Amino acid sequence: QVQLVQSGAEVKKPGASVKVSCKTSGDTVTGYWMHWVRQAPGQGLEWMGCINLDSGVTQTAQKFQGRVTMARDTSINTAHMELSGLRYDDTALYYCAPEPVEAYFFDSWGQGTLVSVSS
Amino acid sequence: QSALTQPASVSGSPGQSITISCTGTSSDVGTYDTVSWYQQHPGKAPKLIIYEVTRRPSGVSSRFSGSKSGNTASLTISGLRPEDEADYYCCSFTQSYTYIFGSGSTVTVL
Repeated sequence: QVQLVQSGAEVKKPGASVKVSCKTSGDTVTGYWMHWVRQAPGQGLEWMGCINLDSGVTQTAQKFQGRVTMARDTSINTAHMELSGLRYDDTALYYCAPEPVEAYFFDSWGQGTLVSVSS
Repeated sequence: QSALTQPASVSGSPGQSITISCTGTSSDVGTYDTVSWYQQHPGKAPKLIIYEVTRRPSGVSSRFSGSKSGNTASLTISGLRPEDEADYYCCSFTQSYTYIFGSGSTVTVL
């Protein structure tokens, strides 16, 4: 299985941007898609988007188009997700979750990164 | 459609069986056999318990089973145990090449 370590908690002001990182180790992630899922306090899971770790091709949920940028740095086995134009309701725990090749499921999850938006 | 539809809460006594439904559309659940289910205990990351509608990952109890009929997928927990008390989410691939989660169901063991 793939091990994942995400970057630490962030506190941001409304309108700012935040970048969350997710470093992989263990099994190779060749051909994997890295997905980003968030969970607001007391709320459910929300799929944000994904990036192919080989090609860099991305897919983004319509809700986040224009605000989410995903990237990967294969030299350090790290994926990044940047969310811009932060609003109070972007306060959430952000998870990365790799999808094995053509698996359509997520069998590993990062520990989550808490992003708090506060003035 | 912002989320697949799940009942907010489901409860049962120890030893009983419960079923959680997950209703989507012909653009997701109804077309693709890619429904997965996740169990989430408080303060923990989600854990995969069912994939491809009916398949269980290694190490997941056989008390968990999945099925699908039309646009609705279901998760059944048989022989309910106290440790099954958690939130459960379904997830499906969609025709837009995106994913959508269910609204989540809280299972309470009475």
